[in-house]
Amino acid sequence: EIVMTQTPLSSPVTLGQPASISCRSSQSLVSSDGNTYLSWFHQRPGQPPRLLIYKISNRFSGVPDRFSGSGAGTDFTLKISRVEAEDVGIYYCFQGTQFPCTFGQGTKLAIK
Amino acid sequence: EVQLVESGGGMIQPGGSLRLSCAASGFTVSTSYMTWVRQAPGKGLEWVSVIYGGDNTYYADSVKGRFTISRDNSKNTVSLQMNSLRAEDTAVYYCTRAQTGTLTIWGQGTMLTVSS
Repeated sequence: EIVMTQTPLSSPVTLGQPASISCRSSQSLVSSDGNTYLSWFHQRPGQPPRLLIYKISNRFSGVPDRFSGSGAGTDFTLKISRVEAEDVGIYYCFQGTQFPCTFGQGTKLAIK
Repeated sequence: EVQLVESGGGMIQPGGSLRLSCAASGFTVSTSYMTWVRQAPGKGLEWVSVIYGGDNTYYADSVKGRFTISRDNSKNTVSLQMNSLRAEDTAVYYCTRAQTGTLTIWGQGTMLTVSS
């Protein structure tokens, strides 16, 4: 099983300032088809998770361009260029390269 | 509209069985990768199971041998049969559609509580 490790686990941020979350996998997420199936989700309390980014850096439909993803192999990053109030919640990375698929532990983003 | 609606959650005693259902609309489950993800109270997300292709299935080690995923193409539904339930199975269970190696569509979830 691929283990996904996120840092930090908690991130207090100031509105309008950038934020960054890292995710490291225990083995390469490059699939046999050449794709890297690393994605990011955002979850607000009482709501199901919402897909933000897939295949490292592709924004899902309707996701604001202040969200961006980068990385390769085993190291990945989610960046928010300017944090807005609606961005609070928990962020999870996820690997879909190999069964069983696995999530990171989650990073709680809160406003200072 | 593409949508997933889960049902079947509730409270059950340890050792009991329960079946969750997920009704899909706006797409066809028979040609999709359909998964279940769960979230224990106050905890993170845990991938549980997938069904795809010609009824290929895969399970997390934590549920292997106890849970069975299936689909009914005529009803466009996916189910999760859960046997030998344990307290640690208590969670919100989400039905999701997987595309391009990720989980694009999520239902609102159904709560399962295993307690005596």
